[in-house]
Amino acid sequence: DVKVTQSSRYLVKRTGEKVFLECVQDMDHENMFWYRQDPGLGLRLIYFSYDVKMKEKGDIPEGYSVSREKKERFSLILESASTNQTSMYLCASSWDRGLGGANVLTFGAGSRLTVL
Amino acid sequence: GEDVEQSLFLSVREGDSSVINCTYTDSSSTYLYWYKQEPGAGLQLLTYIFSNMDMKQDQRLTVLLNKKDKHLSLRIADTQTGDSAIYFCAESVQGGSYIPTFGRGTSLIVHP
Repeated sequence: DVKVTQSSRYLVKRTGEKVFLECVQDMDHENMFWYRQDPGLGLRLIYFSYDVKMKEKGDIPEGYSVSREKKERFSLILESASTNQTSMYLCASSWDRGLGGANVLTFGAGSRLTVL
Repeated sequence: GEDVEQSLFLSVREGDSSVINCTYTDSSSTYLYWYKQEPGAGLQLLTYIFSNMDMKQDQRLTVLLNKKDKHLSLRIADTQTGDSAIYFCAESVQGGSYIPTFGRGTSLIVHP
């Protein structure tokens, strides 16, 4: 069974702390994504990556950075966590290379971050 | 750019049909997706349809596409309490940005 695994389901951090959210996929997918999900706002794309060491900003990149040193791993970094970053963070991956087919995303279970 | 709209809530009685609606804006060749998110979990793909199709059926699920009105619907027949979840509509444009744009999600509540 194909999987996207997010290492932490629940985290509680303090304002100003550096936070790492890790995501690993075992499907040899090219693309990986980080979304945040907030009630009433749906999913908003933070960053995505279409290849190792490549990254692209999504709709709300401010306050976040990412790292993709290996194909299977995509990390989301909050350099200095703030209370407005309290949210559910969803990682996803997909195979599509923009060649015209459907781009089906496989999601992890999510990481719920609370910043106090 | 793409914009996907859907209503936030739907409440139905167990055994009834549920219809979740979505509108999209892009007029190019488009893939349209339905994902389901159960409480405490990530999203799972239910089905998708290409914009040259009108309908797709898979067991209790029927997807209808009205290209003229850019309207997509997901019908769940014989809705069960286990269908209670958030349903997301999404769109990706063939030949354009392949990154899907998601709607805000419709919370389906099924009453016994």
